[in-house]
Amino acid sequence: AIQMTQSPSSLSASVGDRVIIICRTSQDIRSDLGWFQQKPGKAPKVLISAATTLQSGVPSRFSGSGSGSEFTLTISSLQPDDFATYYCLQDYSYPFTFGPGTKVDIK
Amino acid sequence: EVQLVESGGGLVQPGGSLRLSCAASGFNFNNHWMTWVRQAPGKGLEWVANIKEDGSAKYYVDSVKGRFTISIENARNSLYLQMNSLRTEDTAVYYCARDTRSGSHDVFDIWGQGTMVTVSS
Repeated sequence: AIQMTQSPSSLSASVGDRVIIICRTSQDIRSDLGWFQQKPGKAPKVLISAATTLQSGVPSRFSGSGSGSEFTLTISSLQPDDFATYYCLQDYSYPFTFGPGTKVDIK
Repeated sequence: EVQLVESGGGLVQPGGSLRLSCAASGFNFNNHWMTWVRQAPGKGLEWVANIKEDGSAKYYVDSVKGRFTISIENARNSLYLQMNSLRTEDTAVYYCARDTRSGSHDVFDIWGQGTMVTVSS
């Protein structure tokens, strides 16, 4: 199975900060990567698919980049609603695998 | 409204069985792959299984192969997960999600609220 890592595992940031989360995979997955946001007690929500495609209804402050084995999720200006845990997911090959998550909390 | 609603979770002893259901509404269920994802208490997300819209293809994470079976019933707009030989490590919230395929990409774009499965003696 493809192994996933995310960095950092957690971060503290202030409203208005630029936040960057990195996801690395154990092999080349082209652009077959998605990003999800999850708040406590809630189901995950997809933010980005195919590494860079912003899903409908997701604010434009979220963006994704990368291909191959290194990907980034960028939040250009952190908003109060963005404090959550973020996961990457590779859909390149079975079994699909999620990253371990990055928790973003308030500084 | 596009919606997925899971049911069937509960407390079961190790070695026991449970069948989860996921009822879909508001979209053409017959046109979508579907998936199950789980989350153990305080832990991250784990993809469990998915199934093609006509049931002709199914894929599983290694830890559940031979114990769990994913299935669909298009006439009822329903997805199922039959879980046998349950272990304590299967304890988790189980989510169903719609898998909207775009080219080679899988997008889990609609999620249910989750159903809790607890495996304990």
